Amino acid sequence: EPEVTQTPSHQVTQMGQEVILRCVPISNHLYFYWYRQILGQKVEFLVSFYNNEISEKSEIFDDQFSVERPDGSNFTLKIRSTKLEDSAMYFCASSGYGLGQFFGPGTRLTVL
Amino acid sequence: DAKTTQPTSMDCAEGRAANLPCNHSTISGNEYVYWYRQIHSQGPQYIIHGLKNNETNEMASLIITEDRKSSTLILPHATLRDTAVYYCIDLVFGNEKLTFGTGTRLTIIP
Repeated sequence: EPEVTQTPSHQVTQMGQEVILRCVPISNHLYFYWYRQILGQKVEFLVSFYNNEISEKSEIFDDQFSVERPDGSNFTLKIRSTKLEDSAMYFCASSGYGLGQFFGPGTRLTVL
Repeated sequence: DAKTTQPTSMDCAEGRAANLPCNHSTISGNEYVYWYRQIHSQGPQYIIHGLKNNETNEMASLIITEDRKSSTLILPHATLRDTAVYYCIDLVFGNEKLTFGTGTRLTIIP
């Protein structure tokens, strides 16, 4: 069964460093998303991406964040200068038209 | 904020049917009812969705009342692996952002 994959599973970085989180969505999906979950809190929407552009973003998704689909398979989330409060689990998801969103296993980001 | 309301927690015996209710007091005519779950530390998992009619797939059944103000997700033969937090979400379009509320924490008892 097709699934969304994410790498790395765990990323540890120093405050102020840039990180890139990678995702491979399900191959025939057209809509892509990033969510995050701070430990013990709800899953929060960050950004959605369709047709090579951002379709919606939340207040969390400020200028420090960016997304890219550099080729036909990868979807990345970049955080330019990480802060302590960026420590969270980051989930990538993808969906076909009008269908449910399928989530990856997540990347645990720890900012020291 | 989430627009639906759900009980905070429920228990169900292993092998029995788990019935999870959801109230959709502000659902509009063009909104679908979606159900997701999150097993501890994993990514949320899509379960099922429907508009008016009852739906069934390999994971669950979804019952939607005629006025669409409430729905019930049914896991017909619950297993320990069904222990998770379950979320009902109203969406016009499945590709909209998901807003997760507090959900129902379902615990399957051996």
